[in-house]
Amino acid sequence: GEDVEQSLFLSVREGDSSVINCTYTDSSSTYLYWYKQEPGAGLQLLTYIFSNMDMKQDQRLTVLLNKKDKHLSLRIADTQTGDSAIYFCAEMVAGRRALTFGSGTRLQVQP
Amino acid sequence: EAQVTQNPRYLITVTGKKLTVTCSQNMNHEYMSWYRQDPGLGLRQIYYSMNVEVTDKGDVPEGYKVSRKEKRNFPLILESPSPNQTSLYFCASTSVDRANTGELFFGEGSRLTVL
Repeated sequence: GEDVEQSLFLSVREGDSSVINCTYTDSSSTYLYWYKQEPGAGLQLLTYIFSNMDMKQDQRLTVLLNKKDKHLSLRIADTQTGDSAIYFCAEMVAGRRALTFGSGTRLQVQP
Repeated sequence: EAQVTQNPRYLITVTGKKLTVTCSQNMNHEYMSWYRQDPGLGLRQIYYSMNVEVTDKGDVPEGYKVSRKEKRNFPLILESPSPNQTSLYFCASTSVDRANTGELFFGEGSRLTVL
């Protein structure tokens, strides 16, 4: 079955790096995603990685994928107060028409 | 501006009173979907539609109906709401080629409370 797990909360100081972790169980995942949800808003796609990649970098964001351990991480460099939000990890499994989301990690950035 | 619009954004209703949450997108997307978000459970898919007159069940369809008579609209219908349908609901859309890669565009959410 499909299961995506994340820790619930992370607190960092402004300017530090944040690392949000996610584990998934379905080895047939084709794409893995990070979505961001700001207060009172819908989810916004931040970045995604194809399952045959192990790293993707996009400005301050770095996604690392360890397929052997089924572990995905999102690193935000130089974290800003505007990065405070809930971050959802999600996977797309081959043959399905839906994303499976984790429960979200609330990132709090302290000045 | 490209957007997915949901209405109402907030609703308090009573058990058994039929309600409809509307969703409209202006991006000519074929794929539309409804999710519900509950604390500790992330987002779970209720129904999705690959195109006009084509709908299918997601992971938690019980108690919900949908229709897709026009490409831009995908309403979510609760025929007889119950308290366990109290949740935050999101509509999402994307083009068919993006549906296979999961790049969804989300509405701002509709918070529903059923008393």
